[in-house]
Amino acid sequence: NFMLTQPHSVSESPGKTVTISCTRSSGSVADSYVQWYQQRPGSSPTSLIFEDSERPSGVPDRFSGSIDSSSNSASLTISGLKPEDEADYYCQSYDTTNHVVFGGGTKLTVL
Amino acid sequence: QVQLVESGGGVVQPGRSLRLSCAASGFTFSTFAMHWVRQAPGKGLEWVAVISYEGRDDYYADSVKGRFTISRDNSKNTVYLQMNSLRTEDTAVYYCVKGVSMVQPESWGQGTLVTVSS
Repeated sequence: NFMLTQPHSVSESPGKTVTISCTRSSGSVADSYVQWYQQRPGSSPTSLIFEDSERPSGVPDRFSGSIDSSSNSASLTISGLKPEDEADYYCQSYDTTNHVVFGGGTKLTVL
Repeated sequence: QVQLVESGGGVVQPGRSLRLSCAASGFTFSTFAMHWVRQAPGKGLEWVAVISYEGRDDYYADSVKGRFTISRDNSKNTVYLQMNSLRTEDTAVYYCVKGVSMVQPESWGQGTLVTVSS
């Protein structure tokens, strides 16, 4: 099994761009797709990115996902930050035995 | 529009059992895998279990394997989580989640709180 490590928190100003990383502890980040979820305070998580970089319908193109094999990590980038982007963000992947793995979550503060 | 409504949460003593239910609507339930994911108070998301669309295959997190059982009734559009030998560390909000696949949760319910305490 592997772990997904995210920074505990990040902060940035409205209108700016922020990137949240998700580093895989073993195996290659390219071995299995990475998903990203947003959880606003007091709400259930919602899907932001699937299959590394795809956006579900209705998710603004300010949100983008990517993977980087050199750092063995996935990234979620949010551009044109808005106050309503303040939330917890979770990455997720899976292993070869159909076990789902979540990162520890990153709290985004929009200053 | 996907709707997932969990029920069955509550306060239970350590060692006892509880069964959660999740009623699904707005999609063809019998063609999608279903997950349970939990979140302890103030903590992150923890995947619990998944069941295949026809109910033939299921997988569990190591933390619940042997104590929890996921099942489904496609005639009732409902997925269940039977939780036995509950521990204080099982205290969490439990989310029912429609899966795009066995390894990709997608659409989340509102959650039901399970508190294990004496």
